[in-house]
Amino acid sequence: GNSVTQMEGPVTLSEEAFLTINCTYTATGYPSLFWYVQYPGEGLQLLLKATKADDKGSNKGFEATYRKETTSFHLEKGSVQVSDSAVYFCARGSQGNLIFGKGTKLSVKP
Amino acid sequence: GAVVSQHPSWVICKSGTSVKIECRSLDFQATTMFWYRQFPKQSLMLMATSNEGSKATYEQGVEKDKFLINHASLTLSTLTVTSAHPEDSSFYICSALLTSGAYNEQFFGPGTRLTVL
Repeated sequence: GNSVTQMEGPVTLSEEAFLTINCTYTATGYPSLFWYVQYPGEGLQLLLKATKADDKGSNKGFEATYRKETTSFHLEKGSVQVSDSAVYFCARGSQGNLIFGKGTKLSVKP
Repeated sequence: GAVVSQHPSWVICKSGTSVKIECRSLDFQATTMFWYRQFPKQSLMLMATSNEGSKATYEQGVEKDKFLINHASLTLSTLTVTSAHPEDSSFYICSALLTSGAYNEQFFGPGTRLTVL
């Protein structure tokens, strides 16, 4: 069936470190792919998305590229900040039908 | 951006009682809202799709008589957990679908923590 697998956390980094959170998906067809972020006490927010192969989504310094050949959509940021501490969810599908990964908690220390 | 609220943010109830959770889209109208359930260290699992003015569509394995959904207006959907039991304790999250032409996006509420004693 369709599913999303993302790396388990928690991930703890120092400020200005490089971030990668892995995400792979299984799917029939070519779903849209999303990264959501959930800050403490808030609802999930769409961080970035990609709708077709080789698309790169980017926002707030975060990037992810839709890799059809490896069925992956890894999230990256070159230099994390304390304010990036949150839970990150990878998801696939469409806005009317989202399937989420388990979430990866990121803690950034000053 | 669009804002979705949930009320209450947390609730504790006794086994056998019913609990109602509200989901409101504060600055847009939503024909469609979604209810998710999240267990610790697990992903969000879609429970049902709530459509204004019609019956909700439940995912396989979700008891519609236990999780009553009412979407009586374009800004409010409610989830009632009937005869709650400890195994219903979980984090419940709603979202509202904002649609404008070809654009659509789900906006999520902050969630409701339900603890059944």
